[in-house]
Amino acid sequence: GAGVSQSPSNKVTEKGKDVELRCDPISGHTALYWYRQRLGQGLEFLIYFQGNSAPDKSGLPSDRFSAERTGESVSTLTIQRTQQEDSAVYLCAESGGSPLHFGNGTRLTVT
Amino acid sequence: GENVEQHPSTLSVQEGDSAVIKCTYSDSASNYFPWYKQELGKGPQLIIDIRSNVGEKKDQRIAVTLNKTAKHFSLHITETQPEDSAVYFCAAGDSNYQLIWGAGTKLIIKP
Repeated sequence: GAGVSQSPSNKVTEKGKDVELRCDPISGHTALYWYRQRLGQGLEFLIYFQGNSAPDKSGLPSDRFSAERTGESVSTLTIQRTQQEDSAVYLCAESGGSPLHFGNGTRLTVT
Repeated sequence: GENVEQHPSTLSVQEGDSAVIKCTYSDSASNYFPWYKQELGKGPQLIIDIRSNVGEKKDQRIAVTLNKTAKHFSLHITETQPEDSAVYFCAAGDSNYQLIWGAGTKLIIKP
């Protein structure tokens, strides 16, 4: 997706390790989303940031998952004590009152 | 909970023929219905969307129809081309924030 950069593009980690995924959205766009996409499945909402409002964390699957955003810029998604079921593509999307613009995702593989 | 069912999961059509993908949603309050195309290794990209105040919308070879009474909507692609090969996702909600996503349709265009 043009303008939304995610890193790393691929991450292989051992079960039990912590990982941090990064999203650099288009500057000035206030809404930012994280989604999880398991192989062959649709998008699963994780968390939503909107300006200075409290984030909507209702989609986070467990307390091992957390996310932060600094103002209206970079966001990081952290998964602690990774499990094999965390293996998926993690997508970041932003919206400035327009359709969602997605990054290309981070493919996480937990071995 | 609310859900969106998408069919078929895989669709193979001859180049030049038409393709139709169908989605059914459960939340009668939904009024926004986007379709996204996801190419391999990339994030989803919006190709067309429709709101509940219209029954059909067309953009060149792509059209979307909506039947609010039956709570289903469809994507129609005419004169299919090799570059149409991708995974297509439907979604339903009342804004980008509250979208519920279908599981996706893998469209294969046979030469």
